Amino acid sequence: EAGVAQSPRYKIIEKRQSVAFWCNPISGHATLYWYQQILGQGPKLLIQFQNNGVVDDSQLPKDRFSAERLKGVDSTLKIQPAKLEDSAVYLCASSLVTVGTDTQYFGPGTRLTVL
Amino acid sequence: GDSVTQMEGPVTLSEEAFLTINCTYTATGYPSLFWYVQYPGEGLQLLLKATKADDKGSNKGFEATYRKETTSFHLEKGSVQVSDSAVYFCALTNMDSNYQLIWGAGTKLIIKP
Repeated sequence: EAGVAQSPRYKIIEKRQSVAFWCNPISGHATLYWYQQILGQGPKLLIQFQNNGVVDDSQLPKDRFSAERLKGVDSTLKIQPAKLEDSAVYLCASSLVTVGTDTQYFGPGTRLTVL
Repeated sequence: GDSVTQMEGPVTLSEEAFLTINCTYTATGYPSLFWYVQYPGEGLQLLLKATKADDKGSNKGFEATYRKETTSFHLEKGSVQVSDSAVYFCALTNMDSNYQLIWGAGTKLIIKP
């Protein structure tokens, strides 16, 4: 079974530029998550989708971050414009359903460096 | 709100040593508890989980027991290997928090040959 795919793996941009990350979840997984992981910290949930609807985006900085999940499968996370403090690893995860004991499967992440 | 506290790293051990990484939590109700591992250059992987009090999760020689009386979920392994070097994250989900994963800060483990 293929895992969660993410691209690109690494991205370096100047501040105020825009950037987009792509995620393809495990086939059949209804729930998709985007996390931001700053070095030395645990992941922080940015947005959670159930199929193509948003379940929770309370921690997404909506003035600069946006995300969509087309047709309930692939998802794209965009930052526009980027700030220095956005330097982090962006993780995508998926799970079959949304219950407390359900396992989230993570992709390898995209390491973003903002100069 | 719910929270997870892990021991600070890095933890440095010699190969075949006994490992304990402490994890305590604060949560209402009956959370589910997880340990995730992040190997260098890789994504997070579920290592083990426990869904109710006194449950023991185990995988790859690692164990953790859900202790409600001490609100703890310490990770243990009897004999570590160099390949266990990674960052270990304790986490919980709780109905009161919409089943979102609440993470500890992570503990870096370094095993020397």
